[in-house]
Amino acid sequence: DTAVSQTPKYLVTQMGNDKSIKCEQNLGHDTMYWYKQDSKKFLKIMFSYNNKELIINETVPNRFSPKSPDKAHLNLHINSLELGDSAVYFCASSESPGGPDTQYFGPGTRLTVL
Amino acid sequence: AQSVTQLGSHVSVSEGALVLLRCNYSSSVPPYLFWYVQYPNQGLQLLLKYTSAATLVKGINGFEAEFKKSETSFHLTKPSAHMSDAAEYFCAVSKDTGFQKLVFGTGTRLLVSP
Repeated sequence: DTAVSQTPKYLVTQMGNDKSIKCEQNLGHDTMYWYKQDSKKFLKIMFSYNNKELIINETVPNRFSPKSPDKAHLNLHINSLELGDSAVYFCASSESPGGPDTQYFGPGTRLTVL
Repeated sequence: AQSVTQLGSHVSVSEGALVLLRCNYSSSVPPYLFWYVQYPNQGLQLLLKYTSAATLVKGINGFEAEFKKSETSFHLTKPSAHMSDAAEYFCAVSKDTGFQKLVFGTGTRLLVSP
């Protein structure tokens, strides 16, 4: 059983388009995250939600809008895609938002903007 | 602000040799420290974490790390490398208070030769 799943795995699109990435976790966790991994493998947190509420919002362009319909799902919508948005986006979840809880990562979505 | 420095973007070892991946952290408050591994085209998986209990932490797949406050280090070691250890390794730091926000190092690619 996949613990944290993301769809799609690959996404190729043109500049200016709008796209969404979906994430689901079946671990019963309260907290979910979105990370961006750039071409140099650098990982940076973008957002975190706890029980559907936004708790961490890093300095991300407002073209990126996360949505959490319930605590098992966290989607990422990106408007007006730019070349610099090309990256691998990882979803993760943890049991709670604080402390040393282990984060469980999805397999990633590779976004390529042409 | 917290940060992590991983010395060496690539480390090459022979199968059976000692693995040593270096991580130094900067934190104004007591930190939690993590090592995650990323196999090709996969998400990250926790190897081990320091949570202020024992300074020597044992993880999965025979890896361990020692927290040294005086050296602000959390180096990852394994006595004998296997071919299957070839992957990207990330050190990360988080504060011990508030919401967990992992700050990752730039990663170290471990190459294992026969």
